[in-house]
Amino acid sequence: QLQLQESGPGLVNPSETLSLTCTVSGGSISSSSYYWGWIRQPPGKGLEWIGSIYYSGSTYYNPSLKSRVTMSVDTSKNQFSLKLSSVTAADTAVYYCARPRLGGSVNWFFDLWGRGTLVTVSS
Amino acid sequence: DIVMTQSPDSLAVSLGERATITCKSSQSLLWSSNNKNYLAWYQQKPGQPPKLLFYWASTRESGVPDRFSGSGSGTDFTLTISSLQAEDVAVYYCQQYYGAPPYTFGQGTKVEIK
Repeated sequence: QLQLQESGPGLVNPSETLSLTCTVSGGSISSSSYYWGWIRQPPGKGLEWIGSIYYSGSTYYNPSLKSRVTMSVDTSKNQFSLKLSSVTAADTAVYYCARPRLGGSVNWFFDLWGRGTLVTVSS
Repeated sequence: DIVMTQSPDSLAVSLGERATITCKSSQSLLWSSNNKNYLAWYQQKPGQPPKLLFYWASTRESGVPDRFSGSGSGTDFTLTISSLQAEDVAVYYCQQYYGAPPYTFGQGTKVEIK
């Protein structure tokens, strides 16, 4: 059974770079035609799609975050990663990695989620 | 970007009563070539990730109780819980996945027991 698990620092200093990794277990990240996604949720607030990455490295980013986001994939480790630069308190959120139901294309709704990891931006 | 607006922001319903949540999109989510509405619904309980309930506006995800139903087309959508149970207390989100990204969520509707 496929599972996703986020990992990374829970505390990041303002102006620095947030780095998270999602480890895929129970299946290969490159054996399916999925765009693997990152979604965040500030405490007590709603959901925001950050971006998605294909195992080949092709990416889509939310235009609102595009200038600060970099995603990458490591097929040898079955992981994909998120970097968000120049963070502020507004980037404090639970960060989820997720897999969409539909592979091979865009039009993503997400049927498999990690448990999420809280990242706090504070000095 | 397509803006998704849910109403109400919160509602309190008695056990066994009906709960209705609406979701409006700033543009049509109906793709004429396949007659599908690109709209999903999620349920999120405290401390948990969102759980997919419906996609294509009205296709129920496996395992979702049939007291939940999704309906609507174009720009107006509804999630209905026909007989609210205690385990349905949660925040519900709609999400559009029409066309190219970015895909956006509604602000959420909190359902509580009256």
